[in-house]
Amino acid sequence: KNEVEQSPQNLTAQEGEFITINCSYSVGISALHWLQQHPGGGIVSLFMLSSGKKKHGRLIATINIQEKHSSLHITASHPRDSAVYICAADMYSGGGADGLTFGKGTHLIIQP
Amino acid sequence: DGGITQSPKYLFRKEGQNVTLSCEQNLNHDAMYWYRQDPGQGLRLIYYSQIVNDFQKGDIAEGYSVSREKKESFPLTVTSAQKNPTAFYLCASSIAKGTEQFFGPGTRLTVL
Repeated sequence: KNEVEQSPQNLTAQEGEFITINCSYSVGISALHWLQQHPGGGIVSLFMLSSGKKKHGRLIATINIQEKHSSLHITASHPRDSAVYICAADMYSGGGADGLTFGKGTHLIIQP
Repeated sequence: DGGITQSPKYLFRKEGQNVTLSCEQNLNHDAMYWYRQDPGQGLRLIYYSQIVNDFQKGDIAEGYSVSREKKESFPLTVTSAQKNPTAFYLCASSIAKGTEQFFGPGTRLTVL
């Protein structure tokens, strides 16, 4: 069974700081997702990646398949980035559920 | 507007009653999913469906039932057999298995 671990669990930073959230997983995956959950509970998909790096605005996601590790970076952080960031692993098909295995999330607070 | 809707946003039920949570999507997605979120835990998969009239159990299916009679709709019934039904329930859909998932706003169920 795949385990997905995120760190840190909680992160408080000042506006403008560079933020890194880490995610590691224990078995092979077909893709890794980064999600953002705001206080109301709604979830937005930020990235889905299976190799390399993706960038969208101030957000960058990277994945190292050999090391089974992914990172989410936020440049020039802003208070509106405050949310819970969740990584989720999509297991290889061929057995088991086709849903995602989720980390517990990183609660990020950006202070002005 | 294309998207996923869940209703209601908040739901209260007495212990021992069955309750059905609605999930509708107009994205023309084949796959749909139900997840449960509890405080301090990652989301967990309850049921998923890859196509109309087909669905599979996820990691925590006991005490839940689903149907997929239409492509757009994937209702979840929380039965009286579910021992701890109070939780936040999220529905998601994707074009097919293994592709990016889009999430609904969630339903917060409280059993009194």
